[in-house]
Amino acid sequence: GENVEQHPSTLSVQEGDSAVIKCTYSDSASNYFPWYKQELGKRPQLIIDIRSNVGEKKDQRIAVTLNKTAKHFSLHITETQPEDSAVYFCAARSNTDKLIFGTGTRLQVFP
Amino acid sequence: NAGVTQTPKFQVLKTGQSMTLQCAQDMNHEYMSWYRQDPGMGLRLIHYSVGAGITDQGEVPNGYNVSRSTTEDFPLRLLSAAPSQTSVYFCASSYRRQGATGELFFGEGSRLTVL
Repeated sequence: GENVEQHPSTLSVQEGDSAVIKCTYSDSASNYFPWYKQELGKRPQLIIDIRSNVGEKKDQRIAVTLNKTAKHFSLHITETQPEDSAVYFCAARSNTDKLIFGTGTRLQVFP
Repeated sequence: NAGVTQTPKFQVLKTGQSMTLQCAQDMNHEYMSWYRQDPGMGLRLIHYSVGAGITDQGEVPNGYNVSRSTTEDFPLRLLSAAPSQTSVYFCASSYRRQGATGELFFGEGSRLTVL
């Protein structure tokens, strides 16, 4: 079945540094790759997404890259701030509409 | 516009009891789904639906039933609760039509404890 692996499980960075989270997916028919941020005690919320016909997408300090050949995609956060501290989830949607999530990365940004 | 509404927010059950988690959305979303969230295991898909009258299994469907009689509602039933079903449950919905964003909107979550 479909599987999404996410690394690392925890990531600590100094404020102002960059953070990178990587995911791989197993279903080559996957066509949509969103990233969600979940703050403590809250529901996950979409921060950025990319479709399979695009290689990179940016939104201010956040960018996502997709390598369809290698079946992996990454989230890049530049100039990190304490409010970026949260759990981040990647996900992949198959052509059966299932959205499968990775296991999450806990990002801590230290002032 | 309430978005995705889940009830109850908290529930304690004894092993073997049954219950239903309710989920309703008012955004006319075709796609609805249920996830469970456990520490270190991310969000795992239980069941999903692409429209009224259509449901399908996700990654961890055993012990759970769903139905989709209307576009708005997607209840999750636990027929005989087990301690392994202690978790936080999220209902989520999105548009599915061509050209729409795939953004999944989540409910606030339901924390279930099975003793």
